[in-house]
Amino acid sequence: AQSVTQLDSQVPVFEEAPVELRCNYSSSVSVYLFWYVQYPNQGLQLLLKYLSGSTLVKGINGFEAEFNKSQTSFHLRKPSVHISDTAEYFCAVTRAAGNKLTFGGGTRVLVKP
Amino acid sequence: DVKVTQSSRYLVKRTGEKVFLECVQDMDHENMFWYRQDPGLGLRLIYFSYDVKMKEKGDIPEGYSVSREKKERFSLILESASTNQTSMYLCASSLETGALGQYFGPGTRLTVT
Repeated sequence: AQSVTQLDSQVPVFEEAPVELRCNYSSSVSVYLFWYVQYPNQGLQLLLKYLSGSTLVKGINGFEAEFNKSQTSFHLRKPSVHISDTAEYFCAVTRAAGNKLTFGGGTRVLVKP
Repeated sequence: DVKVTQSSRYLVKRTGEKVFLECVQDMDHENMFWYRQDPGLGLRLIYFSYDVKMKEKGDIPEGYSVSREKKERFSLILESASTNQTSMYLCASSLETGALGQYFGPGTRLTVT
């Protein structure tokens, strides 16, 4: 079984500042990793995913994440945030070729002007 | 464009009532999922279905049942609603392999009084 820990439940950040959201996972098998974003009163939208290959993954809206197998981490970063990035972000994992996701507890990002 | 729709955005029910939450996807996906979302707990899988009339329990199936009579439709049933089932319910779908991630509906916020 897999598990996911998002180390920060809330992250306040000023507009145009960088942000990093931390995600650690545990699994005894190879995994696929995902980051989703949930804007207020909406469902989840896929930001990016890691399946294999290059450990640096670029997604939508200027986000990127780096897979670190030795540290079992998949941290999400954006070099300069906008007010519109205010949302909740979820890290998720599934075993490779699996179809059931295990989610972290979520990180609320509040971008301040 | 990919679309997952849920029958209601907001629902208020009384304790003991039978509740039906409907989800429809138009992407011909094999897999469909029901999650509940609670603050700090992320998303937890209730049930999923990998084919018509096929279902598998997730992490928290107690108090819930599901029905999938057609490929595009997946229903979540609360046989006798209780106040601890007050939550946000999210439906998702995916292809047979999870590599492309899951597509989510907008959610149904259920309040049981």
